[in-house]
Formats: sequence, structure tokens, C-alpha cells
Amino acid sequence: NAGVMQNPRHLVRRRGQEARLRCSPMKGHSHVYWYRQLPEEGLKFMVYLQKENIIDESGMPKERFSAEFPKEGPSILRIQQVVRGDSAAYFCASSPDRDSPLHFGNGTRLTVT
Amino acid sequence: DAKTTQPPSMDCAEGRAANLPCNHSTISGNEYVYWYRQIHSQGPQYIIHGLKNNETNEMASLIITEDRKSSTLILPHATLRDTAVYYCIVRWSSGSRLTFGEGTQLTVNP
Repeated sequence: NAGVMQNPRHLVRRRGQEARLRCSPMKGHSHVYWYRQLPEEGLKFMVYLQKENIIDESGMPKERFSAEFPKEGPSILRIQQVVRGDSAAYFCASSPDRDSPLHFGNGTRLTVT
Repeated sequence: DAKTTQPPSMDCAEGRAANLPCNHSTISGNEYVYWYRQIHSQGPQYIIHGLKNNETNEMASLIITEDRKSSTLILPHATLRDTAVYYCIVRWSSGSRLTFGEGTQLTVNP
């Protein structure tokens, strides 16, 4: 049973470009969570989605960031007009329901030059 | 979610048991205690969770005090690969997200 798959593992973008981070949850998991870890800092919750619905986006920056989890296909975290401060590791986690443990992928490391 | 308090760092000799403490004095009746760890540059790894009773799985044991205000994660025979940051997290029973604190940096020494 494959774990949570994130791609790309590393992503380099110039300031002002768009970054798209993809997350394929574990088989049978319909709940997806995105976290961000800035260099030398802790993991911060960003958004929680359940197939086609955003359940909790209290950790998402108000501008430039969006997330979706369509009926078919992976969850996408989209960052428009990236800035150097967006450089971080972005982790996705999935679970089969609200109460089960979250299982994390190995992240996408975004570098903005 | 209830706040947790963990020591910032601990050392353990290889082959010995590692006992990682966590205080969660404001925990409520519906909140579970979860433990995760993060090995450098990897995603957090789920270890174990519990509500009231002690729990054991292939990775670790979780001991929760009777008043539920503190818990201890036990790695029975620590190896060098157990060196990681260990996070104790309290999560509402029907909740969704996990709120990560600073964790404990466990270093297993040869």
C-alpha cells in the first residue's frame, strides 16, 4: 500500500512565478491536510480538505495561496506570485476519516530565487 | 486543542529504553494523545495514540497517567535510527488537524 505521494520533491521558482504542489493521498483516504515548515521552524497547519470541499483553511495566508482536492486526481496547493518568504518544505497528510491518524508524505521543498 | 509541554532535548544510549515525557495538564475528556516523530528532512511519522488506557504497538508504548495530565512515550530498545524530533500532540476526538509544538530532539548515541 503506497504511502502519501508528493511531487515534485524539489521545486525551484523565481519570484513572481506560480508554484503547484501535488499530493496523492493513500488509497481509501478522502481527507487531505497541508502543512508548511519554514527553515528551522515547526510545522504549521495550512488547510484541511475533504473531497471537493475545504473544511478548514484557517492556516492559509489570505492572498496568493489556494488549495483544491478534486473528485478525481491529486490535491493541489497553488502559490501564485511566489516570494522568497514562501521558501519552505510543504507537507501533505491524509487520513480515511476525521478521527484516524494522519499519514504524511515526504514533502515538497520549494525554493524561491 | 490542549497545549503540551516537552523537554527540548534528550539523549539515550543505543539499546536502552528511551522515555519521552509530555505534560498536557489542560487536556479534556474528548482529547486523544498522539505521538509523531520527524527524522531530519522527512515527513512526520505517526507512532501511536491513546485516550485513557496504555497502548503498545510495534514501534512504541504509550503510558498515560490516570488523571491524563501527562504521558510517556517509550521506545523499548532505541537505535541510532530513532534519532529524531518527537512531537506529543493533543487532538480533539472528532477533530481534524494536528497542532505541532516544538517537540523533543532525541539523540541516540552509540
